[in-house]
Amino acid sequence: QKEVEQNSGPLSVPEGAIASLNCTYSDRGSQSFFWYRQYSGKSPELIMSIYSNGDKEDGRFTAQLNKASQYVSLLIRDSQPSDSATYLCAVPRYSSASKIIFGSGTRLSIRP
Amino acid sequence: NAGVTQTPKFQVLKTGQSMTLQCAQDMNHNSMYWYRQDPGMGLRLIYYSASEGTTDKGEVPNGYNVSRLNKREFSLRLESAAPSQTSVYFCASSEGSGGYGYGYTFGSGTRLTVV
Repeated sequence: QKEVEQNSGPLSVPEGAIASLNCTYSDRGSQSFFWYRQYSGKSPELIMSIYSNGDKEDGRFTAQLNKASQYVSLLIRDSQPSDSATYLCAVPRYSSASKIIFGSGTRLSIRP
Repeated sequence: NAGVTQTPKFQVLKTGQSMTLQCAQDMNHNSMYWYRQDPGMGLRLIYYSASEGTTDKGEVPNGYNVSRLNKREFSLRLESAAPSQTSVYFCASSEGSGGYGYGYTFGSGTRLTVV
């Protein structure tokens, strides 16, 4: 089992709809969770972080965390073509706070 | 502009050659990291430096060495390049450890090809 798992996609969503990206992790002790966006040929950029169970909203983005199920998700409302990118879930190991493990990413495509 | 600067952006090496990838940040961050990214495998941690004067191995350290020259600079050295080291290399920095809630700022990457 991978430490951080994501569906590789591609996930195709019509413009204006809600895109839902999912991530599961194996380390029960992990306390912080991150979502990065990576455009093709570019470097990852941090878009959301979440530490507590429940939802955290930032503009059109909502991160959801369920520690009991070891599941974190990212919702993108009113999807725009500019949201087309690969989304990386990242989870630090509880045993080593500096070791963040990245999922392989979900490729999202917003179709007009 | 504030951020993480990596050099070079592109490099082609012959098998057995050596090179050093340079990384510098001007955000006064304590922690710095080197990752490699390969298709379908996501980002894998090579080495990290939690604070100035310390370095530790990540998931895939074999074939690499690092130096935390000062708080700003963290270099990655390939002593004898192999084709398996063909990858995109990213340097990142953070104010503190990710486990304590600090996200990373990434450099623009170095695209390395070993032939």
